[in-house]
Amino acid sequence: QKEVEQNSGPLSVPEGAIASLNCTYSDRVSQSFFWYRQYSGKSPELIMSIYSNGDKEDGRFTAQLNKASQYVSLLIRDSQPSDSATYLCAVNDHNQGGKLIFGQGTELSVKP
Amino acid sequence: DTAVSQTPKYLVTQMGNDKSIKCEQNLGHDTMYWYKQDSKKFLKIMFSYNNKELIINETVPNRFSPKSPDKAHLNLHINSLELGDSAVYFCASSRDRGPNQAFFGQGTRLTVV
Repeated sequence: QKEVEQNSGPLSVPEGAIASLNCTYSDRVSQSFFWYRQYSGKSPELIMSIYSNGDKEDGRFTAQLNKASQYVSLLIRDSQPSDSATYLCAVNDHNQGGKLIFGQGTELSVKP
Repeated sequence: DTAVSQTPKYLVTQMGNDKSIKCEQNLGHDTMYWYKQDSKKFLKIMFSYNNKELIINETVPNRFSPKSPDKAHLNLHINSLELGDSAVYFCASSRDRGPNQAFFGQGTRLTVV
């Protein structure tokens, strides 16, 4: 069974700090990786996608991918209370096109 | 304009009933999905259609039947509802069946009593 694993949290950080969210996956040939943010009672919203090893930055968000270690992470700089949400890591199943396999999500709480 | 819209947003029904959830996307995407999110927030795919063709059919009870009248619509019909069917059901779409990002609808919270 292909899996994506995340720490469920909650991860609590003070406002202004860096929040670090981690994800590991079991399918070595996975090629596409996504981070979704889900506020309570809302739908998942894509915030980052990454396809190659290294870092990808978008504003306060940085995604990091290490395919050799089968590890993808999301860093949120200058965390804000509005960043408080559940962050879902998702990996494409390469055998089934657009199918996304999700981790169980990490709940982030940013304290003012 | 809402990109992926599903109705209803909330659905409360009794065990044994049959219900449908509708989904429409106006993004011009070829591929649509149904995902189920359980009480622990775990999101898992159920079905996927590409241009009205079923391409992903996960291990779900055959009481669940998707229908895609055209590539902009994907409905989910559930027969003989059970308590364990209570969850949030999300419709999503993506440009094509390749590995690209999915856009989610607002979800339908189904409660079976």
